[in-house]
Order: sequence, then C-alpha cells, then structure tokens
Amino acid sequence: DGGITQSPKYLFRKEGQNVTLSCEQNLNHDAMYWYRQDPGQGLRLIYYSQIVNDFQKGDIAEGYSVSREKKESFPLTVTSAQKNPTAFYLCASSFEGPPSAYEQYFGPGTRLTVT
Amino acid sequence: QKEVEQNSGPLSVPEGAIASLNCTYSDRGSQSFFWYRQYSGKSPELIMFIYSNGDKEDGRFTAQLNKASQYVSLLIRDSQPSDSATYLCAVNSGGSNYKLTFGKGTLLTVNP
Repeated sequence: DGGITQSPKYLFRKEGQNVTLSCEQNLNHDAMYWYRQDPGQGLRLIYYSQIVNDFQKGDIAEGYSVSREKKESFPLTVTSAQKNPTAFYLCASSFEGPPSAYEQYFGPGTRLTVT
Repeated sequence: QKEVEQNSGPLSVPEGAIASLNCTYSDRGSQSFFWYRQYSGKSPELIMFIYSNGDKEDGRFTAQLNKASQYVSLLIRDSQPSDSATYLCAVNSGGSNYKLTFGKGTLLTVNP
C-alpha cells in the first residue's frame, strides 16, 4: 500500500527533552512538509523540503529542526527551545512541479504531549 | 500576511440537504484552492481542488471559485451524517512556492 506513515501515534515527553517525530512516504513524492495543529486552529507550516538535502523554514520554525537525507523520510525534532510543543503534528507530501505540487496528502499525525 | 477566512460554525444541516461552506482569501495572486475534510482526531483528507473560475463537480461535491470576489465555496449535496467533520480551505499562491495557507475550518454537523 502506498501512503504516508507517522510514528508514534501518541508521544509523551517531559519538558526540556528533545523528541524526534518520524515521517516516511512511499508515494515517490518529491516534496514533504511538517505542520502543527492546535485546537480550533488551522494548520501552520513548520518546515518544508522540495528536494533531498534541502529544506526551508515555514511560518513557525523556531524550536524545531528537520533533515532530509532520503527522499522517503523527513523527520522532525522538537527541541527544548520550543515554548509550547504540545500539539498535533502532521506530515504531508506532494509531487514536485505544478499543479500536482500543490496537492498535499497527509499522514495520520502524531499527537505530542509535553508535561 | 496572507489570510484565509472561514466561518468556524458549527453549520448544522438536516440529512439530505445541501451544505454550503465558504472561504475567502486575501492574496489576489492565489492560483490553487483546496478543500480538506478532517474528522475529529484524524488527519486532513484532500477531497477537492480547483484552479479555474467556475464550478468543478465530483460526485456529491461541487467546488466553486470566483477569483474576482476572492472566494471559494464547497457544496455538499444530499448531505449524510458521515459528512459531519471539519472542512478546511487551503490556498496556494502559485509559482515555485508550494506552501499552502489554511483556514481554521468550518465544523459541519449533518443531523439524521
């Protein structure tokens, strides 16, 4: 089955700890994205990558880091510098090149709780 | 700051009725428009996209785009209780930037 997988589904961490969220896709998509969603809020873009070994900051990159060493994988690290890390984290991917590049497909998400 | 506005709802319609969801956007250069459905606790699912002015139909769903008025809408005909979800509008401004700007979503409830 082709798709986007995110693990784990639920993650609990203590304040001050870094945590890495996994995102893998086997859709042969070129571009990958990370969003966070807070209750009652729209999705906000954290980082995106249009090609391997390259990524760009989104609207709320502070306190987060990413890597893109393989086309299939785009892990997100939530660092201790992120002030409000508790949220629903969503990974998405799309093909490169318009118009398909604008059609983003989402993984199931990781719900992170930091106490 | 590019903005996408949606009425948060909830929008409540009886089963079998037409549900109309609206979205306005601020960037006049926007070129691509998307509707996502998000069930409670789940991730968004892409259900419609539209690039040109006018209507686009897919089954019970119709997307309508009016670039002059900067709005896009989603009509759901013969609404079913399974359509109850939050509907997110997303807009892309085109070019080599593939970023989407999302609205906060409209909660739709279809009553049996």
